[in-house]
Amino acid sequence: NAGVTQTPKFRVLKTGQSMTLLCAQDMNHEYMYWYRQDPGMGLRLIHYSVGEGTTAKGEVPDGYNVSRLKKQNFLLGLESAAPSQTSVYFCASSYPQVGNEQFFGPGTRLTVL
Amino acid sequence: GENVEQHPSTLSVQEGDSAVIKCTYSDSASNYFPWYKQELGKRPQLIIDIRSNVGEKKDQRIAVTLNKTAKHFSLHITETQPEDSAVYFCAPRVHLGAGSYQLTFGKGTKLSVIP
Repeated sequence: NAGVTQTPKFRVLKTGQSMTLLCAQDMNHEYMYWYRQDPGMGLRLIHYSVGEGTTAKGEVPDGYNVSRLKKQNFLLGLESAAPSQTSVYFCASSYPQVGNEQFFGPGTRLTVL
Repeated sequence: GENVEQHPSTLSVQEGDSAVIKCTYSDSASNYFPWYKQELGKRPQLIIDIRSNVGEKKDQRIAVTLNKTAKHFSLHITETQPEDSAVYFCAPRVHLGAGSYQLTFGKGTKLSVIP
C-alpha cells in the first residue's frame, strides 16, 4: 500500500498563476484533509471532506478551493496564487471514528514569487 | 474555535534525561488528544494518543497524561535519545457536529537531544 501520496513534491509559481495539488489515498478512508504548514505556525486546516462529494471549510480557506469527486482523491486548487500562499502543504486521511489516526502525505513545497 | 497552546516552544535536553511538553486547550468538548512527531523534512506521524475517559497512557519510553478539568495534556519522554530530536505537535480533537471532527494543532515544540 502506498498510503497517502501527493503530487507534485515541489512547485514554483508566479503571482496570479493557478495550480492544482493532488492527494490520493489507498486506505479507503472516509475523511480527507488539506493543511498548510508555515514556520512557527504548526499545521492549519484549509479544507476537509467527510466523504465523496462533500467538502467543508477549515481554519484558513480563503484563496483555496477543493473537490472530492472520488473517495480516494482530494484536490486542492489555487485559482490566483499569491506570495502569502508560499508554504508546505500536507494532505491527510483518516477513518471518522474517535481515536483514528490521521495519516499524512509527504507534503508539497510551494513557492509563489 | 479551539485555542491550543504548547509549552515550551523549544527544549534542549541531555541524552538520557526526560522531556515534558505541555498542551493546553480551550474547548471542553474535546474528546481525543494525540501527539504527533515531525522529523526534519518529513511528514507528521502519530506517536501516542489518549481518549477523554483515560488519565494516562504509556508506550515504552513515551507517555501522555490528561487533566480534563484543567484542560491540558502532556507528553513525557524518558531516557531521551538523539533520534527523539524532532518537532512535536499536540492536536486536540473537537466534534464540529453532523459527524464532523477536526484536529487543531499546536504550534509545535522543537526538541533537541544533545548526545
